[in-house]
Amino acid sequence: DVKVTQSSRYLVKRTGEKVFLECVQDMDHENMFWYRQDPGLGLRLIYFSYDVKMKEKGDIPEGYSVSREKKERFSLILESASTNQTSMYLCASSFGRGASPLHFGNGTRLTVT
Amino acid sequence: GEDVEQSLFLSVREGDSSVINCTYTDSSSTYLYWYKQEPGAGLQLLTYIFSNMDMKQDQRLTVLLNKKDKHLSLRIADTQTGDSAIYFCAEASGNTGKLIFGQGTTLQVKP
Repeated sequence: DVKVTQSSRYLVKRTGEKVFLECVQDMDHENMFWYRQDPGLGLRLIYFSYDVKMKEKGDIPEGYSVSREKKERFSLILESASTNQTSMYLCASSFGRGASPLHFGNGTRLTVT
Repeated sequence: GEDVEQSLFLSVREGDSSVINCTYTDSSSTYLYWYKQEPGAGLQLLTYIFSNMDMKQDQRLTVLLNKKDKHLSLRIADTQTGDSAIYFCAEASGNTGKLIFGQGTTLQVKP
């Protein structure tokens, strides 16, 4: 079974802090994704990556950056956290460029105060 | 652009059938997916259907696809309290590897 692990289930950070959300997958998947989930809005794509050192902007990249130094690890960075970034963050991975299902981690619930 | 729409809430009694509906806009979608999210967890792939199929059945789950109307539904037979969750419909976005998700339908199952 594919395992996608997000390092924290809950995080509380202060406004202005730099925040790192880490995600690791164990199935040698090329693609990795960061989504945020908010009630009534579903999942919105922040950034994704097709390979090491590659990154692509999703629908809502503002205020975020990402890092993919190793194939199995994809980090989401909030350079200066703000209260409107309080959300559930979901990492996912998949194989290939075709229509492959995404495999999700359990999510990180981030609260910015 | 691509868009996926779902109703936000459905309430059923235990033992009844549940039908969750979804509409999508991208006629070139090759696969359509249903995911389930239980409280405090990530999304779990439930089932999927290829765009050249009309129907797929998997135990208590039946997926119906009307490609002409771009309408997808998920039927859960004999709904149980353990089926209470948020259900997301998603379409594959061309050959990008990305999925476009709907807003999610919260299914409430009353005993």
